[in-house]
Amino acid sequence: GQNIDQPTEMTATEGAIVQINCTYQTSGFNGLFWYQQHAGEAPTFLSYNVLDGLEEKGRFSSFLSRSKGYSYLLLKELQMKDSASYLCAPTGYGGATNKLIFGTGTLLAVQP
Amino acid sequence: DAGVTQSPTHLIKTRGQHVTLRCSPISGHKSVSWYQQVLGQGPQFIFQYYEKEERGRGNFPDRFSARQFPNYSSELNVNALLLGDSALYLCASSLRGASGSTDTQYFGPGTRLTVL
Repeated sequence: GQNIDQPTEMTATEGAIVQINCTYQTSGFNGLFWYQQHAGEAPTFLSYNVLDGLEEKGRFSSFLSRSKGYSYLLLKELQMKDSASYLCAPTGYGGATNKLIFGTGTLLAVQP
Repeated sequence: DAGVTQSPTHLIKTRGQHVTLRCSPISGHKSVSWYQQVLGQGPQFIFQYYEKEERGRGNFPDRFSARQFPNYSSELNVNALLLGDSALYLCASSLRGASGSTDTQYFGPGTRLTVL
């Protein structure tokens, strides 16, 4: 089966650090993506992890543990514009498909 | 460079009608995937096309169909619309679409479909 678990909502303060966790179970796995989605807009690519460890990209970092089925997205120096939904998306095999499997996402509210 | 484009932006239909949504991938990308996003949920995979062939289908009824053209653009068709089909329909393009591909999927702005 396929299951992705993320917190539904989180609140953080401007300038702070927040960690959004994601656990997953998929029938096939070939890496995990994180996307950001502002209300009413399309998801935008943040990061991709295929090997265990931390990938850093500016204020955003993403970590993956394949053996534990676990990932997190770390956002530093939070800004008001970071208020959005964050989607964890493992890739799964479905025949010849490299489809993204999304959970419901984590709605992050950044407060002044 | 132009990103993924979709048309129309918004669409209102009534139950039982048919709808066609269109997507143009990023130049050079050969794979297009379609996702349905209902309010408050994450996107759900509908179809993937690569080199004009269907490479995967999600758990959607046969009322949903799609195709990819020689220029790699794509259409999603939905017949006999139901109220529950109201959603944001997202198109994503990637360089390839083969199994095991790690290519990033880039999303278009979506088409918001409302079924009355």
